[in-house]
Amino acid sequence: DSGVTQTPKHLITATGQRVTLRCSPRSGDLSVYWYQQSLDQGLQFLIQYYNGEERAKGNILERFSAQQFPDLHSELNLSSLELGDSALYFCASSQIAGRDYGYTFGSGTRLTVV
Amino acid sequence: AQRVTQPEKLLSVFKGAPVELKCNYSYSGSPELFWYVQYSRQRLQLLLRHISRESIKGFTADLNKGETSFHLKKPFAQEEDSAMYYCALSGNTPLVFGKGTRLSVIA
Repeated sequence: DSGVTQTPKHLITATGQRVTLRCSPRSGDLSVYWYQQSLDQGLQFLIQYYNGEERAKGNILERFSAQQFPDLHSELNLSSLELGDSALYFCASSQIAGRDYGYTFGSGTRLTVV
Repeated sequence: AQRVTQPEKLLSVFKGAPVELKCNYSYSGSPELFWYVQYSRQRLQLLLRHISRESIKGFTADLNKGETSFHLKKPFAQEEDSAMYYCALSGNTPLVFGKGTRLSVIA
């Protein structure tokens, strides 16, 4: 167990729907990162939160949003889903910026849009 | 801009043979570099970070700033090394990953 918990593990939904992915960071970690892993694009950084505030934004679509709550867990909301959004979504956490020590990853949520 | 290039999508070696997974990076500052391993589309696990100069599961990696490379090496491949390997760079943005190399160790 890496200490980063993601739920649900699998999600199947229809196009046009909205889903919420949840992440609990490792104890003591203040930063949460969301990544999307697809077969053709590899690992793409979506967004980072640090202690409740948005810190960095990557290739995140406008249909996607995220937030980090006071207890430091984070949620990634995906709306108006398209077939191309099918992917593995990983959450990772780090103590501060994670620059020297890297990130700890969760097991991911596999999203299938049908 | 930060960029990580892993030129090989797939690398197949025989058990007991040496392994070298290539990683080149582009970053104007002083980078922090990592190797992550992913078994069967499970979570990514940190394998190595260059600042610690450690050896994990027999793997080592040396940062060559002149060649902007951080190749991953192992002298004798084992079947359990078969996995996806990702090189990652931490500069002034969150970790940027290469597209990964799938290592297949043939018995």
